[in-house]
Amino acid sequence: EVQLLESGGGLVQPGGSLRLSCAASGFTFSSYAMSWVRQAAGKGLEWVSAISASGGSTYYADSVKGRFTISRDNSKNTLSLQMNSLRAEDTAVYYCAKGGITVAGSIKNNWFDPWGQGTLVTVSS
Amino acid sequence: EIVMTQSPATLSVSPGERATLSCRASQSVSNDLAWYQQKPGQAPRLLIYDASTRATGIPARFSGSGSGTEFTLTISSLQSEDFAVYYCQQYNNWPPVTFGQGTKLEIK
Repeated sequence: EVQLLESGGGLVQPGGSLRLSCAASGFTFSSYAMSWVRQAAGKGLEWVSAISASGGSTYYADSVKGRFTISRDNSKNTLSLQMNSLRAEDTAVYYCAKGGITVAGSIKNNWFDPWGQGTLVTVSS
Repeated sequence: EIVMTQSPATLSVSPGERATLSCRASQSVSNDLAWYQQKPGQAPRLLIYDASTRATGIPARFSGSGSGTEFTLTISSLQSEDFAVYYCQQYNNWPPVTFGQGTKLEIK
């Protein structure tokens, strides 16, 4: 069974940092791109960041570019999101999700399946 | 950035009836379109990818259609467990991956 388990969420002050992790199991982690998607309370889904299967390519939403860093450790089947300079508007449930495959250097078929259960990040003083 | 627009925002349907949800892209996304279902307190679940292919384990009452800029998710005979929020997502031209704002399917 494919499983994704996020951790690392919590309460942080504006300007602070937090590191999220996602432990993957049940599939060949190193063969798939991975993404982070967030959802503020009562709101819709917002894609945050993606990383290629090898980790060689990373992608970010403009809203987090320069503040967040996505990474992965294929030897440990783990995805991470380092979040710096956090703002109140970053408050959300953060989901990791299994994404597409790399074809000729590009990520294709980048739908998300499955998703983790999510971890809540609250940025407040 | 491709903007995805879903309609209606809320759809009220009786159990056993058909529900039709729409998703429009601001420019063509070919058939690179997915649909998700989200219930309160749960993560989204993939229903449809490539506009019309059901994901593993998804009942046949869920079907997707469309290409280019206009897409439809149809639930042929609503069951109680189908009342939820539904999102469309394009993955044709990214970053960024973009989602629609969601359609809440509620019991009439």
